[in-house]
Amino acid sequence: DGGITQSPKYLFRKEGQNVTLSCEQNLNHDAMYWYRQDPGQGLRLIYYSQIVNDFQKGDIAEGYSVSREKKESFPLTVTSAQKNPTAFYLCASSISGSLADTQYFGPGTRLTVL
Amino acid sequence: AQKVTQAQTEISVVEKEDVTLDCVYETRDTTYYLFWYKQPPSGELVFLIRRNSFDEQNEISGRYSWNFQKSTSSFNFTITASQVVDSAVYFCALSRYGQNFVFGPGTRLSVLP
Repeated sequence: DGGITQSPKYLFRKEGQNVTLSCEQNLNHDAMYWYRQDPGQGLRLIYYSQIVNDFQKGDIAEGYSVSREKKESFPLTVTSAQKNPTAFYLCASSISGSLADTQYFGPGTRLTVL
Repeated sequence: AQKVTQAQTEISVVEKEDVTLDCVYETRDTTYYLFWYKQPPSGELVFLIRRNSFDEQNEISGRYSWNFQKSTSSFNFTITASQVVDSAVYFCALSRYGQNFVFGPGTRLSVLP
């Protein structure tokens, strides 16, 4: 089955620790995205990548880092510099990242920082 | 700047009622796309529809229908004969050049049996 997987579904970390969220897709999509969702709010774009080895900051990139070494993988690291990391993180992908492309989402990772 | 507004934070209806979710957008682009997504309690966003700025035809898919009106910058979503399984948060989104999607804050729909 083609789709997007995110692991783990729930993640707990102590304050001050970096943590990496996994996102893998087997849809052969060029573009991938990371969003953050806080309770009662819409999604905000953290980073996106339209091609391997290239990525761009979104609206709220501070305190986060990404890499795109492989087409199918786009891991997100939440660093200790992120002031309020507890949130629901959603990964998405689209065919090419063009204006018309539909984005398809993974199941999400709920991160709680204790 | 681009913006999407969903003024209804929460809506509750009784099963079999019709319900309309409002979406109003702002953009200076002449070419853009609008989307609706459903987020059930499991959390994953499910794509429902995409509409481009040059196509104002209404669309119907089963119990779902969408009304796009450029004159009022609105892209409203109607569920006919609602069911309990329709309970979810619904997001409207606008695509934008160079920076991808802008999402509205979402409308939480509760369909009561």
